[in-house]
Amino acid sequence: GNSVTQMEGPVTLSEEAFLTINCTYTATGYPSLFWYVQYPGEGLQLLLKATKADDKGSNKGFEATYRKETTSFHLEKGSVQVSDSAVYFCALIFRGSNSGYALNFGKGTSLLVTP
Amino acid sequence: KAGVTQTPRYLIKTRGQQVTLSCSPISGHRSVSWYQQTPGQGLQFLFEYFSETQRNKGNFPGRFSGRQFSNSRSEMNVSTLELGDSALYLCASSLGGDPGANVLTFGAGSRLTVL
Repeated sequence: GNSVTQMEGPVTLSEEAFLTINCTYTATGYPSLFWYVQYPGEGLQLLLKATKADDKGSNKGFEATYRKETTSFHLEKGSVQVSDSAVYFCALIFRGSNSGYALNFGKGTSLLVTP
Repeated sequence: KAGVTQTPRYLIKTRGQQVTLSCSPISGHRSVSWYQQTPGQGLQFLFEYFSETQRNKGNFPGRFSGRQFSNSRSEMNVSTLELGDSALYLCASSLGGDPGANVLTFGAGSRLTVL
C-alpha cells in the first residue's frame, strides 16, 4: 500500500544549524509528495510540495527533492531559527475508489531549535 | 479571505455519548476532508466529501460518520464515544481534484476529550 516513513524525533538543534529530516515512501506509481508543518496549538500548514520525480519544492528556506531512485523526499534547511520549532509531517497522496483523494502522513518529527 | 473554520475548538464528553463537529470550508472550496490526530496513531484519514457525496473513506468503524451540505459545510459525528476517540479532529478543504494541484487547507482542529 501507500505509506510514508519519517525519522523519529524529537530533533533538537541550535539556531543556525543545518536541518535534515528524512522521509521515504512506498507507493504505487509516482504520487505527489508534501511536507506539512504544525505549530503548537494550530492545524497543519503546507510547507512545500513536489508533484513529479526530480521536482524540488521550496519555501521559507526549506527544500525537498523528489527522488524516485531512493523513494525519498528529505526536508532540509541550511540555517534554522527558533521560530522553526514545530512538528513536521511528510505526506503522500493516495486515491480512493470514487475519485476522491486523501493524504497519508508520516508520524511527524518534532523539531526544537534553541537560541 | 477566511480560512477553514472548525467548531467547537474544545469539548469534553463522557463515554457512550455522541458528538458532532462542524467545519466551514474556504469559500468556493467544494471538497472537505477529515483527519484524526492522536499521539499514538498520528494523522489518519477519516473521509472526504465533494459536492455532498462521500468519495473516499478511511479505515474507521461505522461509529464515525459525516455529511456535507449544499453550501459545502461539513459535519462529522461520532456515536457511542470511547476513550480512544480522544483526539484532535482536523478538517481540510480544497477545490477538489488532485491535491498536488489543489492544495488542502487545514483548520485549527477540534480537540475532543472523552472521559
